[in-house]
Amino acid sequence: QKEVEQDPGPLSVPEGAIVSLNCTYSNSAFQYFMWYRQYSRKGPELLMYTYSSGNKEDGRFTAQVDKSSKYISLFIRDSQPSDSATYLCAMSDSGGSNYKLTFGKGTLLTVNP
Amino acid sequence: DTEVTQTPKHLVMGMTNKKSLKCEQHMGHRAMYWYKQKAKKPPELMFVYSYEKLSINESVPSRFSPECPNSSLLNLHLHALQPEDSALYLCASSQSGVQTQYFGPGTRLLVL
Repeated sequence: QKEVEQDPGPLSVPEGAIVSLNCTYSNSAFQYFMWYRQYSRKGPELLMYTYSSGNKEDGRFTAQVDKSSKYISLFIRDSQPSDSATYLCAMSDSGGSNYKLTFGKGTLLTVNP
Repeated sequence: DTEVTQTPKHLVMGMTNKKSLKCEQHMGHRAMYWYKQKAKKPPELMFVYSYEKLSINESVPSRFSPECPNSSLLNLHLHALQPEDSALYLCASSQSGVQTQYFGPGTRLLVL
């Protein structure tokens, strides 16, 4: 079993739809959870960062972490064509000297006008 | 400002060439990273520098040689690469001990 599982899609939705992107993980030590957006041929851009369980909202984006189920989600409301990108979840198990992120494979999202 | 810059944007090199990739950040971050990313794959960690010292080398072949001249700069020296080394090379930085990493736009490398 991979440490982080993410459905690679592709996911295609109409403009204005609510998008739900998800990752599951097996390492119960993970405490730090991130979502990155990566446009084609560009570097990943940090979208959301959550520590431990709970929800975090930033504009049209909401990140949820359920540590009991080892499941994280990113919701995009009122999706726009400019949201078309690959979304990567990433997680880590501690602060201090541990600098390693474990990434999901990424989900390719297309929002159609 | 959460900007990490990388040069060059694109690089084509032969297997006998020597070239260098450069990365710069001015966010005061003390951890800097090199990643390699192949198409449709997530980034793979290559090296981590913490306070200008190499702290992680993910068993990367010696044809890749990192260097951290100061807290703002990170270089990746390339020598005798193979065609399978063609990829997007990403630099990232973070505050030491903090998990959020900020990525640069990458250098797209093609080895002929």
